[in-house]
Amino acid sequence: DADVTQTPRNRITKTGKRIMLECSQTKGHDRMYWYRQDPGLGLRLIYYSFDVKDINKGEISDGYSVSRQAQAKFSLSLESAIPNQTALYFCATSDLSSQETQYFGPGTRLLVL
Amino acid sequence: AQSVAQPEDQVNVAEGNPLTVKCTYSVSGNPYLFWYVQYPNRGLQFLLKYITGDNLVKGSYGFEAEFNKSQTSFHLKKPSALVSDSALYFCAVRDQYSGNTPLVFGKGTRLSVIA
Repeated sequence: DADVTQTPRNRITKTGKRIMLECSQTKGHDRMYWYRQDPGLGLRLIYYSFDVKDINKGEISDGYSVSRQAQAKFSLSLESAIPNQTALYFCATSDLSSQETQYFGPGTRLLVL
Repeated sequence: AQSVAQPEDQVNVAEGNPLTVKCTYSVSGNPYLFWYVQYPNRGLQFLLKYITGDNLVKGSYGFEAEFNKSQTSFHLKKPSALVSDSALYFCAVRDQYSGNTPLVFGKGTRLSVIA
């Protein structure tokens, strides 16, 4: 969905490096989410934010942090990347008016060496 | 607590045949139910949702899903499969009254439509 963009789309990094994945949306939604996708494990929620001042841990927040810089921007950081953080990362947005239907970005493919 | 299960990791169907991708759920109250599709190298795309009303919900690309409260199921269906329907399908649920709880996603079912 072009209304939700993620940068970079692909990233290769080394163990121990700090990296940031960025998400921007033009849908005007208050709620934003970060997921990771691994084969056979489906989508797992890392962090979510219901507004600029609200940050919540998801199922697998260890090793990750987030920043909600504005309604439209939600960044995910890996403080010290490790190989098992190699995955496909998705950002999503939603709002209550659509019963929390989530709209996803195109994903960032991350490889940690 | 809310949860969703997709009992099949893989579904294979011949082109032109009907397809079904299964989903069962568990919520405390009334469910909001969703189906998403993921094509290779793409993000998840919303297909359809059940909120209330008619148990048969129609969505994008000719897909439909049937809500069955007694069986706590929300199976995705299409009368005639296309090769282009081959993708990964995710079911998701949230409780109608859990305003601050995100959607819970199933682990996905890979659909392969064979020509």
